[in-house]
Amino acid sequence: QVQLVESGGGVVQPGGSLRLSCAASGFTFSSYGMHWVRQAPGKGLEWVAFIRSDGSNKYYADSVKGRFTISRDNSKNTLYLQMNSLRAEDTAVYYCAKDVRWDLPHYFDYWGQGTLVTVSS
Amino acid sequence: QSALTQPASVSGSPGQSITISCTGTSSDVGGYNYVSWYQQHPGKAPKLMIYDVSNRPSGVSNRFSGSKSGNTASLTISGLQAEDEADYYCSSYTTSSTLVFGGGTKLTVL
Repeated sequence: QVQLVESGGGVVQPGGSLRLSCAASGFTFSSYGMHWVRQAPGKGLEWVAFIRSDGSNKYYADSVKGRFTISRDNSKNTLYLQMNSLRAEDTAVYYCAKDVRWDLPHYFDYWGQGTLVTVSS
Repeated sequence: QSALTQPASVSGSPGQSITISCTGTSSDVGGYNYVSWYQQHPGKAPKLMIYDVSNRPSGVSNRFSGSKSGNTASLTISGLQAEDEADYYCSSYTTSSTLVFGGGTKLTVL
C-alpha cells in the first residue's frame, strides 16, 4: 500500500532554515509528480510546490517562491523541501502528497500524515 | 493565486442533502475540468473524494457527487450521515500550472 512519511519538522527561529523529507513506498516513486501542501494551525490547506517525476520541472506558490526549493531523489524514493528565510507565517503542518500525473499538478490521491514546522523566536 | 471561494460553513440533518460551492475564475475552475474535492477530519490528513469535477475514486460512497457550471464547482452530499461531519476543500488547476485550494467549508451534521 502507498505510504508517505514526512520528517524534519521542528522549531526554528525567524530567518532560519529547515529541510523536510518525505519517504515514499508502495508505488513507483519515479513515475509520479509530488507535492508539498501546508496547513497553518486552525486554517485551510495551501498548496506549496510540485515537482515533476524526473525532477526537471518545479512549480511554486507565490508565497514561497525564492525561499523554498522542492527536490527529489528517485534512487532513495524521497521527496524534500528546503525552506530558507523562514517567517512566522510559514508555521504549519506540512504534508507531502502524491499526484496522479508525472508532468503537471493535477490532484492528490495519497497524503502523508504531516510534520509540524513552527517558526518562532 | 487567490484562493477559491467556499462558504465557511454548511449544515444539514441526517438523511438530508447539502451542497458546497467553490467559486473561482476563468483562469482556474472555469478554464479546466480539473477540480477536485477533499474531506478532512480533525487531526487527520485530507482524503480525496472527487476528481476531475465529477469522478469518484474507488471506495468513496456514491452519496458524494460533483459538478461544475462556469466558474463555480459544487460538491453534493446526499443522505447525510454523522461521519460526513468534516472540513471540505476544493482544489483547481490554474493557468500558471499551479494548484489553488478553496478556503474550506465546515460541514456540521445536526
